[in-house]
Amino acid sequence: GAVVSQHPSWVICKSGTSVKIECRSLDFQATTMFWYRQFPKQSLMLMATSNEGSKATYEQGVEKDKFLINHASLTLSTLTVTSAHPEDSSFYICSANQGWGGPYEQYFGPGTRLTVT
Amino acid sequence: GENVEQHPSTLSVQEGDSAVIKCTYSDSASNYFPWYKQELGKRPQLIIDIRSNVGEKKDQRIAVTLNKTAKHFSLHITETQPEDSAVYFCAAPRGSSNTGKLIFGQGTTLQVKP
Repeated sequence: GAVVSQHPSWVICKSGTSVKIECRSLDFQATTMFWYRQFPKQSLMLMATSNEGSKATYEQGVEKDKFLINHASLTLSTLTVTSAHPEDSSFYICSANQGWGGPYEQYFGPGTRLTVT
Repeated sequence: GENVEQHPSTLSVQEGDSAVIKCTYSDSASNYFPWYKQELGKRPQLIIDIRSNVGEKKDQRIAVTLNKTAKHFSLHITETQPEDSAVYFCAAPRGSSNTGKLIFGQGTTLQVKP
């Protein structure tokens, strides 16, 4: 149980283009999903909290117009990096809360490696 | 939550020895403390967690201890094996409301030498 998938696993795009990353909870419904960014050899930095049917909550310093989040259903959240630049190259990971063990238990997707050229 | 400090940043042990990683947190209201293991290029995996109503939890070779008074919790791995080599992250709730947000420690790179 508690399986989270992400697609794509890696993507290379040109500067100025947009990239969409999908996060799905496969065997449970997730009312809350989280999006993280992780640079090499660094910790996970929370970007935003995604709640089904409502607007995402962004962490301080994260541009909401650049990182568009849509939580369309209880099993799907998407992150779109708009007008990507080389500094957006990173490992993007989503997580989902299963809900049974309390609000803080998070299960992570496999991550998406984004490279902007 | 709010601020989580993790030490050491790197740890090298011989196979069979024990490894201990420690984290301190600043918010005394925090009540949930997970530990994640992340292998290179892979997702963080929850390996053990503890809630504030207990002081210790054990699962085979791994254990977590919690000292609420001192606001620190530790991961203990006994009889380490090469496959334990990975980056380990502690975490604690972020903020006082029930948002589910976690703040992560800086990570500890554990190397188990065969």
